[in-house]
Amino acid sequence: AQSVTQLGSHVSVSEGALVLLRCNYSSSVPPYLFWYVQYPNQGLQLLLKYTSAATLVKGINGFEAEFKKSETSFHLTKPSAHMSDAAEYFCAAIIQGAQKLVFGQGTRLTINP
Amino acid sequence: ETGVTQTPRHLVMGMTNKKSLKCEQHLGHNAMYWYKQSAKKPLELMFVYSLEERVENNSVPSRFSPECPNSSHLFLHLHTLQPEDSALYLCASSPIPGGIYEQYFGPGTRLTVT
Repeated sequence: AQSVTQLGSHVSVSEGALVLLRCNYSSSVPPYLFWYVQYPNQGLQLLLKYTSAATLVKGINGFEAEFKKSETSFHLTKPSAHMSDAAEYFCAAIIQGAQKLVFGQGTRLTINP
Repeated sequence: ETGVTQTPRHLVMGMTNKKSLKCEQHLGHNAMYWYKQSAKKPLELMFVYSLEERVENNSVPSRFSPECPNSSHLFLHLHTLQPEDSALYLCASSPIPGGIYEQYFGPGTRLTVT
């Protein structure tokens, strides 16, 4: 069965520091992968997605993620954290041909001044 | 209005009440979804509709009853809920179900069952 695991339910970094949010997937074939962000009292917003084109994907707000098949990972990074990046981040995966998007448990990112 | 809207944004209901959540998308999409977001749990897909036909029902209790009268509107009818049903209910849409298309989410309805 397909699953998505986000390591660390809570990540805290200083403003200006590197942000690294981890996501690993489990499926028999490489899925399509997504990162969403959720700000307080809002719905989810797409940050970026991998659809089997380039393995390094750039998204909005300076975020990017790299698909690594050998590690079954799709970690999200940003070189320099900003206070406005504080939010909940969700990794999600869907197998080609399937209709169900499977989400990870989410990682709450806190930015320290 | 643009994107995906949901009403009401907040709802408090007793266990014997009947209420409905409404979702509307202005994106011309053909697929719509209901998700439940509880604290400390992953998002749970509840229902998927494609061109007004339900294509996925994730073992959701019958006290939740979805309705999709057209491709722009989705309802979730609620009756005799339990306190554990308190959660954020999110609606989403996409051009078609699944595939490479991202889902666009509404802001959610915060439901509290007393």
